[in-house]
Amino acid sequence: AQSVTQPDIHITVSEGASLELRCNYSYGATPYLFWYVQSPGQGLQLLLKYFSGDTLVQGIKGFEAEFKRSQSSFNLRKPSVHWSDAAEYFCAVGAVSGNTPLVFGKGTRLSVIA
Amino acid sequence: NAGVTQTPKFRVLKTGQSMTLLCAQDMNHEYMYWYRQDPGMGLRLIHYSVGEGTTAKGEVPDGYNVSRLKKQNFLLGLESAAPSQTSVYFCASRTLPGQGANEQFFGPGTRLTVL
Repeated sequence: AQSVTQPDIHITVSEGASLELRCNYSYGATPYLFWYVQSPGQGLQLLLKYFSGDTLVQGIKGFEAEFKRSQSSFNLRKPSVHWSDAAEYFCAVGAVSGNTPLVFGKGTRLSVIA
Repeated sequence: NAGVTQTPKFRVLKTGQSMTLLCAQDMNHEYMYWYRQDPGMGLRLIHYSVGEGTTAKGEVPDGYNVSRLKKQNFLLGLESAAPSQTSVYFCASRTLPGQGANEQFFGPGTRLTVL
């Protein structure tokens, strides 16, 4: 069965520090991988996605993620966090073909302190 | 483009009342989804649709019904609301695989409280 694990429920980082949010997936087929961000009281916004090709993908707001097939991981990174990055982050996996819905992780809440 | 819109934004119900949540998308997407979001539970799929006139059950379908009479609309119904259905409900849509970007686009959510 498909699944996504985000091991960290809550992370606190200082403004200006680097950030890495972990995501591990289990998927039988070739996966699409996504990271979404949800600000308080808002819907989910796509940060970046991986379909194929270069395993390091760039997204909006200075985020990037690296797909590592051997580790079944798709970790999200940002070199310098801003206070406005405080939000909840969701990793998701889907099939390259077919109509199976995306499978989401339970999310990681990011707090940013001064 | 308005993208994905949801109506209403907030609603308070009494136990046993019924209501319908409306989701509309103007991107001509084939697939539409209803999720609920609860603290610590992430997003859980309630029902989804892969095309006009078709629906399928997701992870937590009990107590909900859906209809997709028009391609652009996906309705979520609660026939007899229960306090356990207090949640934030999100609708999403997605284009067919192979038609470019394949991510799900989300609406802003509906916050439902059942007393």
